[in-house]
Amino acid sequence: GNSVTQMEGPVTLSEEAFLTINCTYTATGYPSLFWYVQYPGEGLQLLLKATKADDKGSNKGFEATYRKETTSFHLEKGSVQVSDSAVYFCALSGVTGFQKLVFGTGTRLLVSP
Amino acid sequence: DGGITQSPKYLFRKEGQNVTLSCEQNLNHDAMYWYRQDPGQGLRLIYYSQIVNDFQKGDIAEGYSVSREKKESFPLTVTSAQKNPTAFYLCASRSSGRADSTDTQYFGPGTRLTVL
Repeated sequence: GNSVTQMEGPVTLSEEAFLTINCTYTATGYPSLFWYVQYPGEGLQLLLKATKADDKGSNKGFEATYRKETTSFHLEKGSVQVSDSAVYFCALSGVTGFQKLVFGTGTRLLVSP
Repeated sequence: DGGITQSPKYLFRKEGQNVTLSCEQNLNHDAMYWYRQDPGQGLRLIYYSQIVNDFQKGDIAEGYSVSREKKESFPLTVTSAQKNPTAFYLCASRSSGRADSTDTQYFGPGTRLTVL
């Protein structure tokens, strides 16, 4: 079945450092890929998405590129801020039938001043 | 303001009791979902509904029940048959349930259920 594997956290960085959170997936066909962010005590918010190979999703300085050859969708940001501290979830969805998201286990990011 | 509301934010239940979690959306969305979040396990799908009066089991439906009598409401009942109900429960909705749609899945703020 479909699955998503994320790097374990927490990831601890200083402000303005470069961020990478790895995400790889196993899926039948060509799924859509998503990054969601969860701030403490809140629900999830969509951060970015990509629906086909080589697509790059971007939002708020975050980027991720859909790499079919390596089945990866790594999240990057050039300069993190304290306000980026949150839990980040990688997810996938098949592109036929009813949309059901399959989530990774989440990666906690802690950014210190 | 349009969005998804879940109530209550915190809920305590004695073992052996049923409890119902509320989820309401005013986004006019057809599709609604319930997820369970446990530490270190990400989100897992409990039930989902594509349209009013229709719903299907997700990956971990045992011990849970739902109804979809109104488009805007999708309550989740955690029954006494659920062996380990303590968790954070998230409701979500989407304009269309079709996987090939570009619509975003929106999440509510969640309900934290603790069984005493």
